Amino acid sequence: RKEVEQDPGPFNVPEGATVAFNCTYSNSASQSFFWYRQDCRKEPKLLMSVYSSGNEDGRFTAQLNRASQYISLLIRDSKLSDSATYLCVLGDTGTASKLTFGTGTRLQVTL
Amino acid sequence: DTGVSQNPRHKITKRGQNVTFRCDPISEHNRLYWYRQTLGQGPEFLTYFQNEAQLEKSRLLSDRFSAERPKGSFSTLEIQRTEQGDSAMYLCASSLAGGGDTQYFGPGTRLTVL
Repeated sequence: RKEVEQDPGPFNVPEGATVAFNCTYSNSASQSFFWYRQDCRKEPKLLMSVYSSGNEDGRFTAQLNRASQYISLLIRDSKLSDSATYLCVLGDTGTASKLTFGTGTRLQVTL
Repeated sequence: DTGVSQNPRHKITKRGQNVTFRCDPISEHNRLYWYRQTLGQGPEFLTYFQNEAQLEKSRLLSDRFSAERPKGSFSTLEIQRTEQGDSAMYLCASSLAGGGDTQYFGPGTRLTVL
């Protein structure tokens, strides 16, 4: 079983739609969680960290459910510029803080 | 530009050749990471430095791969006797331990082994 599992998509949604991505993880000891965004042929960029209490940044809301070991990302009022691959990421439990990435979920927002 | 930089951005080589990539982290960052990403996959961790010390290496890092960070600033990743399976994007990231530890990625070096 992969450490981080995501639906690869693609999710094709019209502009203005709300879209949600989930990912599940297998290591119950994981301590830190993130969503990264990656545009085609570009480097990953941190979108937001994910906390158990949930956190919101503008149109983006992230949620962590430790009991069920899943992480979600909600995007409201989708924009064309949101088209990208969204990577679910776990931070290492050790001192290295290395990141473990899911395969990513591709989002395509259309007119 | 004060972000992470990587050189070269693209490298095409023939199987069996050696290649070396360079990463310059954000200047005050003491942690440096190398990842590899193949098409349709997320990045996979290869190795990690804190200052000049290489503290962790993935099982993915075969003995043909070697990484250095001699003065705790820039890092190099060398691949000897390249194989077609080495074709990938090699990403470098840096972070500041104790400073939230957010990893910032460079633009990557895309390696194609013919």
